[in-house]
Formats: sequence, C-alpha cells, structure tokens
Amino acid sequence: GQNIDQPTEMTATEGAIVQINCTYQTSGFNGLFWYQQHAGEAPTFLSYNVLDGLEEKGRFSSFLSRSKGYSYLLLKELQMKDSASYLCASMDSNYQLIWGAGTKLIIKP
Amino acid sequence: GAVVSQHPSWVICKSGTSVKIECRSLDFQATTMFWYRQFPKQSLMLMATSNEGSKATYEQGVEKDKFLINHASLTLSTLTVTSAHPEDSSFYICSAKREGDYNEQFFGPGTRLTVL
Repeated sequence: GQNIDQPTEMTATEGAIVQINCTYQTSGFNGLFWYQQHAGEAPTFLSYNVLDGLEEKGRFSSFLSRSKGYSYLLLKELQMKDSASYLCASMDSNYQLIWGAGTKLIIKP
Repeated sequence: GAVVSQHPSWVICKSGTSVKIECRSLDFQATTMFWYRQFPKQSLMLMATSNEGSKATYEQGVEKDKFLINHASLTLSTLTVTSAHPEDSSFYICSAKREGDYNEQFFGPGTRLTVL
C-alpha cells in the first residue's frame, strides 16, 4: 500500500534548527514535496526533490534518499512565523500526490 | 505566475441546499485540477481529479453524485456539493497543474464550507 509517515507534532525554540523527517512508500516515485500550511490556509510549496541529496533554499533545506524512502525538511534560524504544519507528499507513478498527515511545528520564544 | 483562485472563500448554507465552489487558474492553462477536502487537524484528502473536457476521476469513498465536478475550460473547474449536510462542513481546496508540467501543483486559497 501507499504510506507516508511523519511526526504529528514538534516543538522548537526561536533561532534554533529543527529537522522534520518523512518516510514514504508509494507505487512508483516521481518526487517528494514539502508544503507549509498555516491554520485555515491552503498549503504553499516549499521544496521538491527527485534526486538524492540536499536542496538548499534560504533558511529551508530538503533532503532525499530514494533507497531509504526517506526525506527531511531542515529549518534554520527559526522564526515565530514558521509555526505551521509541514506536509510531506510523495508523487506516485501516476503523478498523483500521496500526502502525509502533516507535522505541526510549534515555535517557542 | 501560477496563481490559483477559489470562490467563495467561505460559505455558510442550510442543510439540504447545494453549494458551488469555483477554482480558476489565473495566469496559466490547467489541464488537470484536483479537489481536496481537509478536516480539522487532518491532512489533505484527495476527492477527485478532473481533466478539461472529460469526466472527473473520483477517489474511493467519494460520491460522484453528491460532489459534482465540471472542468469546462482550461482555466476553470467547479465543485458542487449537492444536498449538503453538516458532515460536509470542511475546508475544500483545489489545485492545478500547468499544461506540460507533470510535477508541481499550485493550490488555491481554499473554501471554508459550514453547513448548518
């Protein structure tokens, strides 16, 4: 079956670094997406990985290991506005996104 | 570029009435649009995939006669919730893929539906 696993909730301190992990099992693979979703709003795109390795984009980086079915999102220099849910999604062989349940990230001052 | 709009942003209706939600790609042509539903503190649940000019493909457990989808043009898809009931209250989000782009989906801002 198809499955995406990520932690339900994480807490971190303003200015610190946090890593949100995601493991996936999908029928075929056409890439791994990370989205940010603030409460009551639609998801916004953060990153896309299809090759192994680390993609850096400002304070956010995303890593993929296809052999391990594993990805992580790394957030540096955390700001209060980073408090949100972070959704991991794998694109299967039909180019359909399979979504994780999301990780709620709580930032404390 | 790649902006998707939804209308209305929120709607309150009485039980038994029908509600239409529009999803528009404003600056690109969307060959495929997706409709999602999200209940509080849960992830996105794909309801259906619609391709311009053809019938929508519904996910298992989604009633196609209750959730009518029309993708009449390359920039507009509509979702009609027929005979809405309180359990249909949810956050409905559409997304669109650009023609020729197999990967990224661009999301609309969502529509909050409350059925009394």
